[in-house]
Amino acid sequence: DIQMTQSPSTLSASVGDRVTITCRASQSISPWLAWYQQKPGKAPKLLIYKASNLEGGVPSRFSGSGSGTEFSLTISSLQSDDSATYYCQQYSRYPITFGQGTRLDIK
Amino acid sequence: EVQLVESGGDLVQPGGSLRLSCAASGFTFSNFWMGWVRQAPGKGLEWVANIMPDGSAQYYVDSVKGRFTISRDSAKRSLDLQMNSLRVEDTAVYYCARIGIAAAGDFDYWGQGTLVTVSS
Repeated sequence: DIQMTQSPSTLSASVGDRVTITCRASQSISPWLAWYQQKPGKAPKLLIYKASNLEGGVPSRFSGSGSGTEFSLTISSLQSDDSATYYCQQYSRYPITFGQGTRLDIK
Repeated sequence: EVQLVESGGDLVQPGGSLRLSCAASGFTFSNFWMGWVRQAPGKGLEWVANIMPDGSAQYYVDSVKGRFTISRDSAKRSLDLQMNSLRVEDTAVYYCARIGIAAAGDFDYWGQGTLVTVSS
């Protein structure tokens, strides 16, 4: 199985900050990586697919990059509404696997 | 508007069975791969199963193979998950999710989830 490792596990940042979350795969998965945002008590929401494609309706401050085994999600200017847990997901091969999540808090 | 509404979650004893359903609307159901993803209390996301648009192929995480069965009914626009031989570790919120039109594996729409609790 492909293991997905996110870093950091928790992150605290201020409104307006640039924030980057990293996801590492145990083998090459390019470009089959997605990023999701999940708020407490809610279903996950797709932000980025195929590593760098912004899902419709998602603010442009979110961006994805990377290839091979190293990927990142960047929020260019953090907003208070971005407080959530973020997950990466590989869909290069079965079983589909998710990272353990990164909790992002607003200072 | 795409909507996915799960039902069927309940409290069940270990070894018991449960059937989850997901009612889909707002899109051509028969054109899309569908899947189930679960989340144990306070834990991360775990993919459970996917099914092809015509139902001809299904994929499962190893921990549920032989116990869970994913199925779909295009006429009823419904996705089901039959869960047998339930274990305490199957306790989770189960989400029904649609896979994007490129059928690659990213989940572009999710239901609100239904809670399955396995406990004696």
